[in-house]
Amino acid sequence: EVQLVQSGAEVKKPGESLKISCKGSGYSFTSYWIGWVRQMPGKGLEWMGIIYPGDSDTRYSPSFQGHVTISADKSISTAYLQWSSLKASDTAMYYCARRESKWSPGDYWGQGTLVTVSS
Amino acid sequence: SSELTQDPAVSVALGQTVRITCQGDSLRSYYASWYQQKPGQAPVLVFYGKNNRPSGIPDRFSGSSSGNTASLTITGAQAEDEADYYCNSRDTSGNHLGVFGTGTTVTVL
Repeated sequence: EVQLVQSGAEVKKPGESLKISCKGSGYSFTSYWIGWVRQMPGKGLEWMGIIYPGDSDTRYSPSFQGHVTISADKSISTAYLQWSSLKASDTAMYYCARRESKWSPGDYWGQGTLVTVSS
Repeated sequence: SSELTQDPAVSVALGQTVRITCQGDSLRSYYASWYQQKPGQAPVLVFYGKNNRPSGIPDRFSGSSSGNTASLTITGAQAEDEADYYCNSRDTSGNHLGVFGTGTTVTVL
C-alpha cells in the first residue's frame, strides 16, 4: 500500500527555522517525484515545488523560489520542506504528494502538516 | 492569481447530475486533473488526463474538455460527494508544476 506520512504539527515564532518531512512507503521512492503543496487558512491549493529523489532534481514555483528549500534523503525514503526564517504568512497546511512524472498529477497525498507561525 | 477560474459554489440535488467547470487559456493545450477535498482532509485525485479515473474512484466521476474549458461531471451525486473540487493544469507558460483552479464548493441538497 502506497503511503506518504508527514511529520506532526509545528508552532514556531517568526524568524525561526523549520524542516518538515514526508516519508514514502509501499513503492519505489526513487522512481517518483514528490511535490509540496501549500494551503493557507480558508484558501486554495498551490504547488510549491517538486523533487525527484532518484537524483535530487528539484523544481520550484516562481512564487516560492528562494523562500523554501526542498530536499530528499533517498536512503530513508523521506522528502523535506524547510524554511530558514519563518514569517507569519507561512502559517498554512502543507501537503506532500507523489507524482509519477513531473508532468503528472499527484496521485497519493500525505495527511498534511499544519505550520503555525506566531509571536 | 490563478490562471484557472472556477465557479465558487454549486449545488445539486441528491442523485442528480452536476458539472463543475474550469476555464483557462492553458486548457486549450493541456488536460486538467481534478481533486476532491473534504473538510479537514487531504485532497484526493478523482480524474485526470483525457479519460483517467484512479483506482477506487466511483465511475460517477467523469471529465471532459472543450476549448479553454475543462469539466468534471458527477452523475448521480451522493451525499459523500459534498466537498471542494479543484482543477489543476499547466500554466500558460507550460510550467509542469502546474496551477490550481480557484476551487468550487459542491453542496448536495
